[in-house]
Amino acid sequence: DTAVSQTPKYLVTQMGNDKSIKCEQNLGHDTMYWYKQDSKKFLKIMFSYNNKELIINETVPNRFSPKSPDKAHLNLHINSLELGDSAVYFCASSQDSTGQPQHFGDGTRLSIL
Amino acid sequence: AQSVTQLDSQVPVFEEAPVELRCNYSSSVSVYLFWYVQYPNQGLQLLLKYLSGSTLVKGINGFEAEFNKSQTSFHLRKPSVHISDTAEYFCAVRKETSGSRLTFGEGTQLTVNP
Repeated sequence: DTAVSQTPKYLVTQMGNDKSIKCEQNLGHDTMYWYKQDSKKFLKIMFSYNNKELIINETVPNRFSPKSPDKAHLNLHINSLELGDSAVYFCASSQDSTGQPQHFGDGTRLSIL
Repeated sequence: AQSVTQLDSQVPVFEEAPVELRCNYSSSVSVYLFWYVQYPNQGLQLLLKYLSGSTLVKGINGFEAEFNKSQTSFHLRKPSVHISDTAEYFCAVRKETSGSRLTFGEGTQLTVNP
């Protein structure tokens, strides 16, 4: 059973489009995260939710909007995609909100043409 | 703010050789330290963590790390590596304050050759 699953695995789209990435965890964890990994493999947190409430919101363009319908799901919607948005986006979860993710999804590779 | 420096971007070794991946951190307050591993086309997995207590921390897959406060280091070691250990390894740090952000290093690519 996959602990943290995100879809799609690959996303190729054109500049200006709007796209969503979905994430689900079946671990019963309270906290979920979105991380961005750039082409140099540098990882940076974007958002964190605890029990559906936003607790970390880094300096991310407001074109990125997370949504957590329940504590098992954290989706990421991106409006007006730009070339610089090309990256691998990872969803992660942890049991509590202490700050370090325990389980990661396999990533969504977003490529902007 | 805290920061992490992984001193080697790439470490090639032969199978069954020992390996050390170096990590130094900088922080004005007490921190927690972590090592994660990322296999190709996968997400990260937590290898081990130092929160308090013994400075020698054992993790999964035979890895261990030693917290050295005076040298602000948290180097990762394994006495004998396997081909399957080939992966990207990330050191990470966060302040002890609950909810503080995790800061990652830039990663070290470990390549184990036969």
